Formats: sequence, C-alpha cells, structure tokens
Amino acid sequence: NAGVTQTPKFRILKIGQSMTLQCTQDMNHNYMYWYRQDPGMGLKLIYYSVGAGITDKGEVPNGYNVSRSTTEDFPLRLELAAPSQTSVYFCASSDEDRGLAEAFFGQGTRLTVV
Amino acid sequence: GIQVEQSPPDLILQEGANSTLRCNFSDSVNNLQWFHQNPWGQLINLFYIPSGTKQNGRLSATTVATERYSLLYISSSQTTDSGVYFCALKRSGNYQLIWGAGTKLIIKP
Repeated sequence: NAGVTQTPKFRILKIGQSMTLQCTQDMNHNYMYWYRQDPGMGLKLIYYSVGAGITDKGEVPNGYNVSRSTTEDFPLRLELAAPSQTSVYFCASSDEDRGLAEAFFGQGTRLTVV
Repeated sequence: GIQVEQSPPDLILQEGANSTLRCNFSDSVNNLQWFHQNPWGQLINLFYIPSGTKQNGRLSATTVATERYSLLYISSSQTTDSGVYFCALKRSGNYQLIWGAGTKLIIKP
C-alpha cells in the first residue's frame, strides 16, 4: 500500500543546475499537487493537476514546471535552481471526483540550493 | 483570501497531559484536514473533518463549520505526539489547501 511516493528524499543542487522531482501515486486519484514548505511555515501550492494532460499554476509557480502524462505520475521540474528554491517539497493526491477530497502526501524531498 | 489561524503557536506538556488545539477560519469551507508533522518532517493525516466530530484512539476532532472553527483534542499525551499540528482547508471549487501556521507541541517524558 504505497500511496504517494516521492524521489529523491534529499538533494543538494548548485545554483543554475536543473533537476526533476519525481512523484507517483497508486490510488488512481485524478488530482495531484506539488507544495513547498519553507522553515516554520505551512505549505504553499506550486502546481496542481486535475487529470492526465491538465495542469495549472498554484500560488508560487515561478521557477518550476510540471507535466502529467499519466494518472500516476506528476514530476516537478526545477530549471536554473536558485537559493530561494531551498525548501521541502511535498507531492499530494486526492480523489475529488467522488467527493472524497482528503489529500494524501508523500514523504517529501528536502532540496538545498547552494 | 481565506485566513486560517491556529492557537496556541507553541505548547509544552508533560507526558500524560491532555491538550486542545484550535483552528479558526474566516470563510466557509468544504474540506478541512488535521495533519501531524513529525520531527522527521513527515506529514501524517489525522482527520478529514469538514464538519462534525470524529475520534481515532486518543485523538478526536470537532469542526463547527457554521462558527468557523475546528478543535483537535489529544488525550494522555505521549512523547511520540511531539511535532507540529497543522489544520488545512479549502473552499468549494478551489484546489488549493490553505494552511495554518501550525501548533508546535512538545511532550516531555
């Protein structure tokens, strides 16, 4: 019963490098989300997707891109990493089509940009 | 946008004590969840509770949607209850969970 799985768990990037954070879920949820959490704060929405092929910006999308080619996978791409992107990133999914809006989260990816 | 306020911001208790955490919000919501973020950073779903009362072992939660607040009760606290407790909510038609700033709970042995 894997739920939402994120990889990697930790990563250090140099300024200007790029990387992709992977997220996959096995609950057949249509809705998926990427959030970031800065120290001492709640989470902020970066991007979300309501189904394969459909993505949209959240509150803090600058510097990130996403794609959703399958129901299961929702990778987050960082281009030209900046120190301001140092954060913990969480992927989540929910099944709102059936009115079950509870969101389930992955274990997070701790990213440091130096 | 909708505002979420959690209180108290910090709480230090001895093992075995009971506690009540509060979440106030400024608008009607159709989704409210309580999470526990453990010291390793993992977010653990506690309750999905847009209204009513639920119980799970030593934890229970009540949301009074008409009065725009939710309460999380922890009884007979254990050291493993330490961490940050967040409430997060969203309005109908809005996909973003809006998060409170959290209550940091420390349970001393």
